[in-house]
Amino acid sequence: QKEVEQNSGPLSVPEGAIASLNCTYSDRGSQSFFWYRQYSGKSPELIMSIYSNGDKEDGRFTAQLNKASQYVSLLIRDSQPSDSATYLCAVTLAKNTDKLIFGTGTRLQVFP
Amino acid sequence: GAGVSQSPSNKVTEKGKDVELRCDPISGHTALYWYRQSLGQGLEFLIYFQGNSAPDKSGLPSDRFSAERTGGSVSTLTIQRTQQEDSAVYLCASSPRAGGPLEQYFGPGTRLTVT
Repeated sequence: QKEVEQNSGPLSVPEGAIASLNCTYSDRGSQSFFWYRQYSGKSPELIMSIYSNGDKEDGRFTAQLNKASQYVSLLIRDSQPSDSATYLCAVTLAKNTDKLIFGTGTRLQVFP
Repeated sequence: GAGVSQSPSNKVTEKGKDVELRCDPISGHTALYWYRQSLGQGLEFLIYFQGNSAPDKSGLPSDRFSAERTGGSVSTLTIQRTQQEDSAVYLCASSPRAGGPLEQYFGPGTRLTVT
């Protein structure tokens, strides 16, 4: 079992819709969770961090964390073509909180 | 303020040659990470430096890879006797603090091509 798993996609949504990206992780002791956006040919850009169960909202982005079920999700409201990118989920492990483990990413395509 | 910078942005080298990749982290960040990303793949952790502690080298794929961080700031990743499978984008990231929730900020990367 991979430490962090994401569906590779592509996830295709129409402009204006809600895009829902999901990530599961294997370490029950993980405490810190991050979402990065990576445009093609560019480096990852941090867009959200979440540490507690529940929802965290930032503009059109909402991160959701459920530690009991070991999943973290990212919702993008009013999706725009400019949101088309690969979204990487990253978590810390209980045994080493100084290192991030990245998923392989979900490619999101927002079509006009 | 200035972000993480990396140089060179692109490097083409012949198989068997050594290469050095440089990373200049965000000023004041105590932690520095190196990753490798092959085309269409996820991020592969290589090594990280945490303040004055011994680096975590657990991700280095072979003894041809080494890295150092001088003065707690600039880091150099060295690949000796490069092989074609070393071709990838090498990404550096820095983080503001150690031992707690960390947020990593990435540089633009160095695209290495081994011919």
